[in-house]
Amino acid sequence: IAGITQAPTSQILAAGRRMTLRCTQDMRHNAMYWYRQDLGLGLRLIHYSNTAGTTGKGEVPDGYSVSRANTDDFPLTLASAVPSQTSVYFCASSESAGGGDTQYFGPGTRLTVL
Amino acid sequence: DQQVKQNSPSLSVQEGRISILNCDYTNSMFDYFLWYKKYPAEGPTFLISISSIKDKNEDGRFTVFLNKSAKHLSLHIVPSQPGDSAVYFCAASNTGTASKLTFGTGTRLQVTL
Repeated sequence: IAGITQAPTSQILAAGRRMTLRCTQDMRHNAMYWYRQDLGLGLRLIHYSNTAGTTGKGEVPDGYSVSRANTDDFPLTLASAVPSQTSVYFCASSESAGGGDTQYFGPGTRLTVL
Repeated sequence: DQQVKQNSPSLSVQEGRISILNCDYTNSMFDYFLWYKKYPAEGPTFLISISSIKDKNEDGRFTVFLNKSAKHLSLHIVPSQPGDSAVYFCAASNTGTASKLTFGTGTRLQVTL
């Protein structure tokens, strides 16, 4: 089934540890995104990539980094996790980077930083 | 500064009745609006969208209304079904600048029997 996969499904992490959340899409979409969802704050954009080889900062990029080596994969890395990064993380993709394109979301990764 | 606001965190509606979910925005440059639906432990899924050149878009039981002068949009679900129970997010963008989506905080809809 075409779509977006994320791994792991959930993770408990000690503060200070490094963690990479994986995201893969098979729709050959050009644009990909990482969001975090927190209660009362909705979905906030962390980083995005308009096309392979390019990345950009979203609303809440601090403490996170991304790379886009190819079209399909868009990993999100927490270099040194802190408890405030406890959240549900969603990866999404869209056919193009235009604001009018529908974004398709993965199932999410629930991350707890202790 | 919350540019997209959903002021009702939750809404309860009886099965068969109309559900109305509201969304307000402050950025007058937004010209494209979407609604996403999210079930627990799943990612959001696209529901319906509307461009600022329209004031209404309908898809089956779902209709989105846009009032540009009031910077307000609403999602109507008629008739509401128990399977509609979910969190609904509105989102907005400025297609002219290829801006990214800005999401609201979500409204949890509970459709009761």
